[in-house]
Amino acid sequence: KNEVEQSPQNLTAQEGEFITINCSYSVGISALHWLQQHPGGGIVSLFMLSSGKKKHGRLIATINIQEKHSSLHITASHPRDSAVYICAVRRGADGLTFGKGTHLIIQP
Amino acid sequence: GAGVSQSPSNKVTEKGKDVELRCDPISGHTALYWYRQSLGQGLEFLIYFQGNSAPDKSGLPSDRFSAERTGGSVSTLTIQRTQQEDSAVYLCASSSPPYGISGANVLTFGAGSRLTVL
Repeated sequence: KNEVEQSPQNLTAQEGEFITINCSYSVGISALHWLQQHPGGGIVSLFMLSSGKKKHGRLIATINIQEKHSSLHITASHPRDSAVYICAVRRGADGLTFGKGTHLIIQP
Repeated sequence: GAGVSQSPSNKVTEKGKDVELRCDPISGHTALYWYRQSLGQGLEFLIYFQGNSAPDKSGLPSDRFSAERTGGSVSTLTIQRTQQEDSAVYLCASSSPPYGISGANVLTFGAGSRLTVL
């Protein structure tokens, strides 16, 4: 079993829909990242969370430490949100452990 | 510089040759990470440098892989006697101070170096 599990693996939605991507992990962590990988391959760090909730524009990330679960939400989705969204966790001084990613396609 | 710079952006080499990949992190970033992403695979941690501390090499897949960071800035990832399974995009990221410490939440990735081993 992977230490970081994401769901769904693939998601296709219509423009304007509310999107939720989930991440569950099985180990104690010091921080959790949500990353966005564009079709061209570039990676952008969206959020780093250690507790609670963060919001940036149409993106919202939440984390429940007790349940070892995080969600990434996209409100009013747009085709330009189409990308791979990756959850990654950090334990202590180790490097990140990554989920396999969620491939999101937003259709106009 | 303004971002994390990696070179070369693309490298094609023959099996058995050595390659060097370079990462120039954001000025002042004390933490530097190397990852790789193989075709169709997720990201994989390779090695982590923090300041003058001994690097965390726990992710290096074999002793053919090594990395160094000179002067706490530029890092070089070296792959000796390359194999076809080494083909991947090698990504470098930097942050300051290491993420997870209060107030630090910026992890910036470079554009990656695409390595193809024939």
